[in-house]
Amino acid sequence: GDSVTQMEGPVTLSEEAFLTINCTYTATGYPSLFWYVQYPGEGLQLLLKATKADDKGSNKGFEATYRKETTSFHLEKGSVQVSDSAVYFCALSDRGYQLIWGAGTKLIIKP
Amino acid sequence: EPEVTQTPSHQVTQMGQEVILRCVPISNHLYFYWYRQILGQKVEFLVSFYNNEISEKSEIFDDQFSVERPDGSNFTLKIRSTKLEDSAMYFCASGDGYEQYFGPGTRLTVT
Repeated sequence: GDSVTQMEGPVTLSEEAFLTINCTYTATGYPSLFWYVQYPGEGLQLLLKATKADDKGSNKGFEATYRKETTSFHLEKGSVQVSDSAVYFCALSDRGYQLIWGAGTKLIIKP
Repeated sequence: EPEVTQTPSHQVTQMGQEVILRCVPISNHLYFYWYRQILGQKVEFLVSFYNNEISEKSEIFDDQFSVERPDGSNFTLKIRSTKLEDSAMYFCASGDGYEQYFGPGTRLTVT
């Protein structure tokens, strides 16, 4: 079945560092891909999405490009802030129904 | 900005008791979902609901679980006889067929 694999955390960075969180997927169809963020004590917020190959999703300085050839959707940010500390989830939706989730990557940004 | 709301934020119940978790989706959405996240683990799909019926459900969603949209605004998840392993954060989501918007979650603790 479809699945999502993301890099294990926690990832610890200093403020203003470059961030990459890797995400790869397996799917039989042509899924839409998502990054969700969960701040401490809060729910799941959609961060960005891409619905077809080569699409780039972006929001709040974060970017991810849908790479069909490598089945990847890596999350990047050029300069992280302490306020970016959260758990980041990569997910896919094939057919528009259920979201299939990665395990989540905890990001810790130190001042 | 419209948002999904969930009540209660925290529910403590004894094993074997019935619980009902409540959700108010975004008003013009037609697709409704329940997910759960056991502490420290990945988010898992439970069920999706469209046009007043279940459209998809996971293996987790067995006969102990049921969903209902009783009055056109609320969307409920009932667990008939709770088990210790049902302790988790339960997230409701609603969507337009493309994106899913999540509520803040209900933390269910079964003792």
